[in-house]
This record gives sequence, structure tokens and C-alpha cells, in this order.
Amino acid sequence: KAGVTQTPRYLIKTRGQQVTLSCSPISGHRSVSWYQQTPGQGLQFLFEYFSETQRNKGNFPGRFSGRQFSNSRSEMNVSTLELGDSALYLCASSPRRWGLSYEQYFGPGTRLTVT
Amino acid sequence: AQTVTQSQPEMSVQEAETVTLSCTYDTSESNYYLFWYKQPPSRQMILVIRQEAYKQQNATENRFSVNFQKAAKSFSLKISDSQLGDTAMYFCAFMKTALEETSGSRLTFGEGTQLTVNP
Repeated sequence: KAGVTQTPRYLIKTRGQQVTLSCSPISGHRSVSWYQQTPGQGLQFLFEYFSETQRNKGNFPGRFSGRQFSNSRSEMNVSTLELGDSALYLCASSPRRWGLSYEQYFGPGTRLTVT
Repeated sequence: AQTVTQSQPEMSVQEAETVTLSCTYDTSESNYYLFWYKQPPSRQMILVIRQEAYKQQNATENRFSVNFQKAAKSFSLKISDSQLGDTAMYFCAFMKTALEETSGSRLTFGEGTQLTVNP
């Protein structure tokens, strides 16, 4: 089975611009979660999508948004980029089967640099 | 809210030796999962091992095993026969069990322990 894929892998943007990151989960996985990783704040949860609905949200400003499509693929959008948004953005997919498994499998990440 | 603490920012071990990474957590939940992930220099986050809180038996995956002490809220990872490829940042993570299938879930991570395996 192919793993979680994320595109693009690297991105350089300017302050004030917006960016869209994409994530394709493992086939059959129904849940996609997004995390931000920075040296100062560590790994922080952004949001989770399951069946095209946001099920959980972390403590991030409204500039961070996402969506999930009917094929479980997910996109994350950041508007009005700030220097502090520079980070590795990790996507994780999960089978999300009740009583079975909620473990999350991560993609390689998108490295976003804001200048 | 849950918190996860890894008190060892860096550790090193000689190849073929055994090393134990510590993790403590704080939660009022009774049903949850605990995980160890490794993140090598490639930055790919890899699931190493998981433990369900309701299981008393400690999880084992080949050279990796955990010591889960629920009352003490401790979850340490033991790596036996350390290999150079084990060099990575290791993260301990907590996830509470969802009440129903459509409930939200999230991983709460510790700060990480950088493990270096020396030849």
C-alpha cells in the first residue's frame, strides 16, 4: 500500500500571501489530521477531518483552514502568511475504525518557508 | 487537557547496547492510547509502537518494547540491540479514546528525545 503523500514537499512564500498544501491519505483511511512542527513550539495539532467534516481543531487562528474531499484527500490553506508560519506541516491519516485502530500514519511533510 | 513530558532532550548509546527513553503524561482520562514515534533526519515520522491503556501487558515490536505504568502515568521505550539506523528524534504521544466513531481525535506530543547511536 502506498503511504501518505504530501505535495508540494517544499514551498517558499512571501509574507501576506496565501498557500495551499495537499495530502493524500493511505488507501482506505478515512481520517486526515494536520500538524505543525517548529523548533520552538514542537508538534502542534491543527485539525482533523473525517468524512469531509472537521471533527477536531487545535488552537490556531482562523487564517488556518482545511477541507476534505469525498475521496478522503485533504487540503490545508493558510492565508495572509506571517513569518511565524514557517514550519514543517505534517499530514497524518488514520483508519479511524471504532474499536480497532486510531493510530496515525504520517506523510513526509511540506516544508514551508515564509520570507 | 493532556500533557506529555519527555525529560531527556538528548541521549546517546553505543551500537548493540540497550537504551531507555522516558515519558510521563498527565490526563484525567481513563481510556486512551500511547504511542512512540521516531523522526529520523529525513523528517518522516514513523510509528514505532503503541499501547492501549486498558491493556496491562506491555507492547513489544521486535527490538522495541515499552514499560507502561498506568498509575504512575509513565510510558518508557526500551530499545534493545541499538542500531545506527535508530538514530532519530523520538516522540512520545497521547491520544484519548473517542467516545464514538465520529468524535474528534488528536495526538498530543512530548518535546522529543534526540537519540544518537554511536558505532
